[in-house]
Amino acid sequence: EAGVVQSPRYKIIEKKQPVAFWCNPISGHNTLYWYRQNLGQGPELLIRYENEEAVDDSQLPKDRFSAERLKGVDSTLKIQPAELGDSAVYLCASSLRQGNYNEQFFGPGTRLTVL
Amino acid sequence: DAKTTQPTSMDCAEGRAANLPCNHSTISGNEYVYWYRQIHSQGPQYIIHGLKNNETNEMASLIITEDRKSSTLILPHATLRDTAVYYCIVRVLGGRGGGSQGNLIFGKGTKLSVKP
Repeated sequence: EAGVVQSPRYKIIEKKQPVAFWCNPISGHNTLYWYRQNLGQGPELLIRYENEEAVDDSQLPKDRFSAERLKGVDSTLKIQPAELGDSAVYLCASSLRQGNYNEQFFGPGTRLTVL
Repeated sequence: DAKTTQPTSMDCAEGRAANLPCNHSTISGNEYVYWYRQIHSQGPQYIIHGLKNNETNEMASLIITEDRKSSTLILPHATLRDTAVYYCIVRVLGGRGGGSQGNLIFGKGTKLSVKP
């Protein structure tokens, strides 16, 4: 069974440029998460989707970050414009459903460097 | 903020048991203890979870104290591939629909180094 797929794995951009990350969750998982992980820290949740609905985006910096999950399958996270402080690893995860015990399966992440 | 306290780092000899402690003194009655680990350059990986009884699976054992204020993750025979950051997390189940209930809140975890 394929795991969570993310692309690209690495991205280097200059500040003020836009950037987008793509995630394809495990087939059948209706809950999708985007996390940001700064160096030396644990992952921090940015947004959670149940199917195509963003049910928790309280930690998403909405002035420059946006996300979508059209058709309730794959998802895109965008930053426009990027700032130096956005350098981090962006992780996508999926689970069968937020409720119950269901474990989250994480992708390998996209390492973003903003110059 | 994370509701758990873990040591920053630990060492373990290969083949020996690794015992990783976690304090969660403010845990609520409906909160479970979860453990994830993150190997370098990979995403976190689920290990085990429990409520109040001890749990064991193919990866590890979880020992939760009777008052549930602390727990220990045990890797019975650590290998070099177990070198990773281990996160102890408390979370409620449920959380369907909107809101942050049930979200995983990661702290900094424990960096476990397994040495030959």
